[in-house]
Amino acid sequence: GQSLEQPSEVTAVEGAIVQINCTYQTSGFYGLSWYQQHDGGAPTFLSYNALDGLEETGRFSSFLSRSDSYGYLLLQELQMKDSASYFCAVSLRYSTLTFGKGTMLLVSP
Amino acid sequence: NAGVTQTPKFRVLKTGQSMTLLCAQDMNHEYMYWYRQDPGMGLRLIHYSVGEGTTAKGEVPDGYNVSRLKKQNFLLGLESAAPSQTSVYFCASSDPRDNYYEQYFGPGTRLTVT
Repeated sequence: GQSLEQPSEVTAVEGAIVQINCTYQTSGFYGLSWYQQHDGGAPTFLSYNALDGLEETGRFSSFLSRSDSYGYLLLQELQMKDSASYFCAVSLRYSTLTFGKGTMLLVSP
Repeated sequence: NAGVTQTPKFRVLKTGQSMTLLCAQDMNHEYMYWYRQDPGMGLRLIHYSVGEGTTAKGEVPDGYNVSRLKKQNFLLGLESAAPSQTSVYFCASSDPRDNYYEQYFGPGTRLTVT
C-alpha cells in the first residue's frame, strides 16, 4: 500500500518562505504531485516531480528525492491568498493519485 | 470551456435511500476519477475509468457503483446510503496524451446521510 505523511499545520507571515515536507512509503510510483485546496473547494494542481530534483513554477517549487522517500513544496514570497491546504500525492498507474492528509498553511500579515 | 462539473452541489439523504452523482467534463479527457474527502483527510479514490465503457475499483469502492456510458460523463451511484458515506465527493479527469500527471477537479458534491 501507499502512505504519505505531512505536517498537519504550518504558519508563516506574508513575504516569508515556507517549506511543506512529505515523506512517503510506497511500493512504486510514477511521480509526486502537489495540490492546493482553498476552504474545501476544488483541489488545483500545483506541481509534479517525475524525477529527483527541483521543479520551479513561479513562486512555487517542488523537490523529490526517491532515495530518501521524501519531497517538499517550497512557497516563496508568501501572500495571504496562499492560506490553504496543500496535499502531496503519489501518482500511480492510470494517473490515479494517493493523497496525504494535507497541510493547512496559515499566512498572517 | 466549463472544465469538470458536478451535479448536485449538495444533497441530504436518509439511510437506505439511493442516489446518483453526475460528473461531466468537456476537455475530451480519457481518464475520470471519483474521490471522497472526509474532515481532516486527504482525498481517497473510490473508482476510476480509463475510457468509455470501462471502470475499475480504487481504494474505497465498497458501497458505490459507477458507470461511464459516454466519454464525457462518469456517474457515481449509492444504492443504499449509510451515514458512513457522509462526505464531500470530488470528480476529476486527466488525459494520458496531455499533461498526464495533472488531474482537473470538479467543485464537489457535499452529501449528508442521516
